[in-house]
Amino acid sequence: AQSVAQPEDQVNVAEGNPLTVKCTYSVSGNPYLFWYVQYPNRGLQFLLKYITGDNLVKGSYGFEAEFNKSQTSFHLKKPSALVSDSALYFCAVRDPGGNFNKFYFGSGTKLNVKP
Amino acid sequence: KAGVTQTPRYLIKTRGQQVTLSCSPISGHRSVSWYQQTPGQGLQFLFEYFSETQRNKGNFPGRFSGRQFSNSRSEMNVSTLELGDSALYLCASSFGQGATYEQYFGPGTRLTVT
Repeated sequence: AQSVAQPEDQVNVAEGNPLTVKCTYSVSGNPYLFWYVQYPNRGLQFLLKYITGDNLVKGSYGFEAEFNKSQTSFHLKKPSALVSDSALYFCAVRDPGGNFNKFYFGSGTKLNVKP
Repeated sequence: KAGVTQTPRYLIKTRGQQVTLSCSPISGHRSVSWYQQTPGQGLQFLFEYFSETQRNKGNFPGRFSGRQFSNSRSEMNVSTLELGDSALYLCASSFGQGATYEQYFGPGTRLTVT
């Protein structure tokens, strides 16, 4: 079965410091991995994706993620956090079995960036 | 391009009633997926429609149904509402069904069942 895990319910970081939001996955087949962000009372916004190729993926708003096949991880990173980055972050894996628009989401990690 | 729109944004219903939610995808997108988001269960996939056909279905009871029209707009229906159906219902559209296509989400419909 396909799944993703976000081991931290909440991550606290000071503005200007680097941030990491963790995600591990379990899939049978090639992993198609995504990060989304959700602001209060809003839908999810796409940040970045890994399909194939370079393990370091760059996305919107200065975020990047590193795909690590041996550790089955896809951690989200940003070199310098902003207060406006405070939101709920979701890691997702796409069903590799051909049902490409069936996503499995992690439980979400709340990122708090303090001034 | 306009984003994914969902109507209504907020809805209050009573147990036993039924409800219909609407989703208009981004122009040119042919795939529409629906998700239920609750604090306890997180984001759960309901179903996906592509070219007016249901292509994928999650593990939800038959009270949850949907359809897609020829203009790609989609509706989701929940019959015989239960208190546990209170949730944020999110619609997402995608241009196609290939692995490289990301989904774009609407703002959601907040359903409260009393």
